[in-house]
Amino acid sequence: DAGITQSPRHKVTETGTPVTLRCHQTENHRYMYWYRQDPGHGLRLIHYSYGVKDTDKGEVSDGYSVSRSKTEDFLLTLESATSSQTSVYFCAARSVGSVPREQYFGPGTRLTVT
Amino acid sequence: SQQGEEDPQALSIQEGENATMNCSYKTSINNLQWYRQNSGRGLVHLILIRSNEREKHSGRLRVTLDTSKKSSSLLITASRAADTASYFCAANSGGSNYKLTFGKGTLLTVNP
Repeated sequence: DAGITQSPRHKVTETGTPVTLRCHQTENHRYMYWYRQDPGHGLRLIHYSYGVKDTDKGEVSDGYSVSRSKTEDFLLTLESATSSQTSVYFCAARSVGSVPREQYFGPGTRLTVT
Repeated sequence: SQQGEEDPQALSIQEGENATMNCSYKTSINNLQWYRQNSGRGLVHLILIRSNEREKHSGRLRVTLDTSKKSSSLLITASRAADTASYFCAANSGGSNYKLTFGKGTLLTVNP
């Protein structure tokens, strides 16, 4: 998985509880992304980061916040989990360069909100 | 909103046959990428084609891009059972943050 790990890999939580998912990368990528994957929707961008402490919203950011205090870690927080946030969450990262580059993905976190 | 839309949603073929998947997108792009996802795993990059390219090859993969029709196709030749996976196109519309907009994917099943 190109040096990208996610934790936890599986989590079951109750509605209304806060949840934090962690993405860790070892390749010094500048850009990091959080996606959610749901049947019939493909992958949708939640938030992304373009550097330490620099983040911005994606297309489905409501109910989520992120933080990036170190290059290697990108945290996704669900402040108060809802059943609609049951999903598989993927982290991705890429480096800066003059040529187009791919994103590298982590293995995913399966989150169930009951 | 989804930038890429793959067609078909599901494809089942026999080993040795070729598999073709199509992708349409809505806005102008800088490049278009194809990813593969095995069941329960993360996505893996397959191939990238820039907006000024029309065709690109990588091993058994052939990608074409038609910017006038805002469409791309991925051809896998001589398919193998191990090619069974979901395939996604992802459009990069340029900009400094290199965001990708993914389609919903094509589930390819290659029967031995």
